Amino acid sequence: EVQLVESGGGLVQPGGSLRLSCATSGFTFSNYAMSWVRQAPGKGLECVSGISGSGGSTYYADSVKGRFTISRDNSKNTLNLQMNSLRAEDTAIYYCAKVVYEYCFDYWGQGTLVTVSS
Amino acid sequence: DIVMTQSPDSLAVSLGERATINCKSSQSVFYSSNNKNYLAWYQQRPGQPPKLLIYWASTRESGVPDRFSGSGSGTDFTLTISSLQAEDVAVYYCQQYYTTPPTFGQGTKVEIK
Repeated sequence: EVQLVESGGGLVQPGGSLRLSCATSGFTFSNYAMSWVRQAPGKGLECVSGISGSGGSTYYADSVKGRFTISRDNSKNTLNLQMNSLRAEDTAIYYCAKVVYEYCFDYWGQGTLVTVSS
Repeated sequence: DIVMTQSPDSLAVSLGERATINCKSSQSVFYSSNNKNYLAWYQQRPGQPPKLLIYWASTRESGVPDRFSGSGSGTDFTLTISSLQAEDVAVYYCQQYYTTPPTFGQGTKVEIK
């Protein structure tokens, strides 16, 4: 059974940093690209970052470029998102998602809430 | 980035009736080299993460009931629920994966009339 479990969310002040992690199981992690998708309270979905199976290729939404860094540890089956210079508009549930069919998302975690507020 | 626009924003349908959601992309998501439309549909029930329903515009994900169907090509797409069930109350999103970052429509909320 595929499982994705996010952690690391919480309350942080504007300008602060957080590191999200996603522990995965039930599939060969290194064979799949992965992404972080966020959802602001009561709003729609935004794909903020993605990374290839090897980790050699990444992309970022313009809204987070230069502030967020995605990485993966294929030896630990873990996906990470380092978030710096956080802003109020980064407040959202952050989902870890497994990529399939060239960038659809077939499995999602339950999400971790990030709140940026003073 | 490709902008995805869904219509309507919400709709109320009687149980057993048809629900139709439209999605329009700001540029074509059809890739002629493999004859595929890079368009997916998701269902998000309250308090849950999204669930993949349809990919390549019209292919149902394993386990998705056949009352869900997708159609369209190029820039215009449709998700149809042929006979609405109570468990279909949710927000539905289209998503293009023709370019990165993938982008989603704003969502369509489906309720029971």
